[in-house]
Amino acid sequence: EIVMTQSPATLSVSPGERATLSCRASQSVSSNLAWYQQKPGQAPRLLIYGASTRATGIPARFSGSGSGTEFTLTISSLQSEDFAVYYCQQYNNWPRTFGQGTKVEVK
Amino acid sequence: EVQLVESGGGLVQPGGSLRLSCVASGFTFSTYWMSWVRQAPGKGLEWVATIKYDGGDKYYVDSVKGRFTISRDNAKNSLYLQMDSLRDEDTAVYYCGRAYAPDFWGQGTLVTVSS
Repeated sequence: EIVMTQSPATLSVSPGERATLSCRASQSVSSNLAWYQQKPGQAPRLLIYGASTRATGIPARFSGSGSGTEFTLTISSLQSEDFAVYYCQQYNNWPRTFGQGTKVEVK
Repeated sequence: EVQLVESGGGLVQPGGSLRLSCVASGFTFSTYWMSWVRQAPGKGLEWVATIKYDGGDKYYVDSVKGRFTISRDNAKNSLYLQMDSLRDEDTAVYYCGRAYAPDFWGQGTLVTVSS
């Protein structure tokens, strides 16, 4: 099983600032990596797939990068609606696995 | 508009069974892989199972193998999760999702396993 490790667990950021979230895979997942955003009481929302492709309707301030075992989600200028929990997921191998999540909170 | 609507959750005793359903609309259901993902209270996301568009291939997380069965009825645009021998640790909100890196999710249905 591929273990996905996200860091940090919590990120405190002021509105308008840049946020950088990391996701590491225990073995290569190529570019088969997705990022999700989840707000309290809501289902997750797909932000990024293929490590760097924004899903439909996702603002350009969200960007993904990386391949192999190291991945990054960057939010260029945090808006109030971006404070949430973010998860990465690999879909290169079975079982599919998620990271434990990074909570982005208001500083 | 893509919609996924889950149902079938509820309170069940340990060792019991439950069948979740997910009805899809707004897309050609029979051409998509479909998945179940769960989230225990206050915890992160856990992938549970995925089924190929024609039902020919099925994959499960180890913790549910032999207890849960994923299936689909393409004529009814429906996805199912039969859950048997339920355990306390199966308590979670269960989401159905389109594809194995889901781009659309249902609103979730809560399964509570407790005596």
